[in-house]
Amino acid sequence: AQTVTQSQPEMSVQEAETVTLSCTYDTSESDYYLFWYKQPPSRQMILVIRQEAYKQQNATENRFSVNFQKAAKSFSLKISDSQLGDAAMYFCAYQESDKLIFGTGTRLQVFP
Amino acid sequence: GAVVSQHPSWVICKSGTSVKIECRSLDFQATTMFWYRQFPKQSLMLMATSNEGSKATYEQGVEKDKFLINHASLTLSTLTVTSAHPEDSSFYICSARDSSGPGYFITDTQYFGPGTRLTVL
Repeated sequence: AQTVTQSQPEMSVQEAETVTLSCTYDTSESDYYLFWYKQPPSRQMILVIRQEAYKQQNATENRFSVNFQKAAKSFSLKISDSQLGDAAMYFCAYQESDKLIFGTGTRLQVFP
Repeated sequence: GAVVSQHPSWVICKSGTSVKIECRSLDFQATTMFWYRQFPKQSLMLMATSNEGSKATYEQGVEKDKFLINHASLTLSTLTVTSAHPEDSSFYICSARDSSGPGYFITDTQYFGPGTRLTVL
């Protein structure tokens, strides 16, 4: 069965600095999608970034970028120029066909 | 774009009553919607996959007679918690899959509703 592991329960970063959140997954498939979702205190799940496994180029969305290492089954999220509004739970997720499988989440704190 | 709404945002009910939660995709059609449950400080657990016009597919361990799912249109899925008990108290989140795009390569991204907090007394 596919699994998603986030080994960092909590992370903290100073405002304007850069932080990287780790995620590894296990699968025997070659075609799949990977996502990072953000869940602020409102609990609304917000899509941060997505990566298609067949694409070698790392996805980027403004201050958010990923380091996708398919062979290592690693999918880390880098947040540059961190802002106070980035404070939230971040969930890494793996999707193959229909189902999303979530990691346990990393709580990110941003200090001024 | 890609907005999903849920109603109600919170509900308190007495033990033994039934509660219906609605999930709507507002600006896209969703042949597939998903229902998740999230306990405090935990991750999202998929409960069931809801397909328009057909029966829902439940994950192992989820009681289909307790959690009734109906997906009557391309923009609406409902979850009914029947004979609710305090252990059903949780945060329920729906998502809708945006299946737009030509041919084989669909966007395949799930967009989430804001969630419903259910408290059963």
